[in-house]
Amino acid sequence: DAGVIQSPRHEVTEMGQEVTLRCKPISGHNSLFWYRQTMMRGLELLIYFNNNVPIDDSGMPEDRFSAKMPNASFSTLKIQPSEPRDSAVYFCASSLQGALYEQYFGPGTRLTVT
Amino acid sequence: GENVEQHPSTLSVQEGDSAVIKCTYSDSASNYFPWYKQELGKGPQLIIDIRSNVGEKKDQRIAVTLNKTAKHFSLHITETQPEDSAVYFCAAIKAAGNKLTFGGGTRVLVKP
Repeated sequence: DAGVIQSPRHEVTEMGQEVTLRCKPISGHNSLFWYRQTMMRGLELLIYFNNNVPIDDSGMPEDRFSAKMPNASFSTLKIQPSEPRDSAVYFCASSLQGALYEQYFGPGTRLTVT
Repeated sequence: GENVEQHPSTLSVQEGDSAVIKCTYSDSASNYFPWYKQELGKGPQLIIDIRSNVGEKKDQRIAVTLNKTAKHFSLHITETQPEDSAVYFCAAIKAAGNKLTFGGGTRVLVKP
């Protein structure tokens, strides 16, 4: 079992540039989550999809952030334009809809915006 | 909404000693309480969970307890080993809820 796959693992970009993070959930899982982790704010839920439909995006910081899930096996989180305060580790997680307490996290993408 | 507080934020123990992490939650409707372990450079991984109809659950060297009346739950690690060094997160969710609420995390260091 491949687990949740995220790419890239590391991203360094300059302020103002567009950043796209990618996620492939575990096959058969119908819920997908994007989290952001920083020392100051801990683990924050950004957005949650169920059956490819965004259910709760109340954690998305602002309009610079957007997320899509065009099919059951792929999701993207885009930041445009990026700012230094977006620097963090971004995790994607997936689960079965009936077991949201049991989420499987990917290895994360470490984003650095200079 | 739900609020989960976790203590301590850091914990240093001698190898072989026990470690205890405590969490409190605010929403009495929460009834699933998972614990996640995050090793350096990796994503959090579920290690154990407890449901509201159970007071205690054990899995080898780890155990979780839940006090619904007081709205707090704890993780106990016995006979700690160096590989137990990690950040541990408690969390809470309702049965019909759509998201986990995580505590702030506890960094555990097991000294050989």
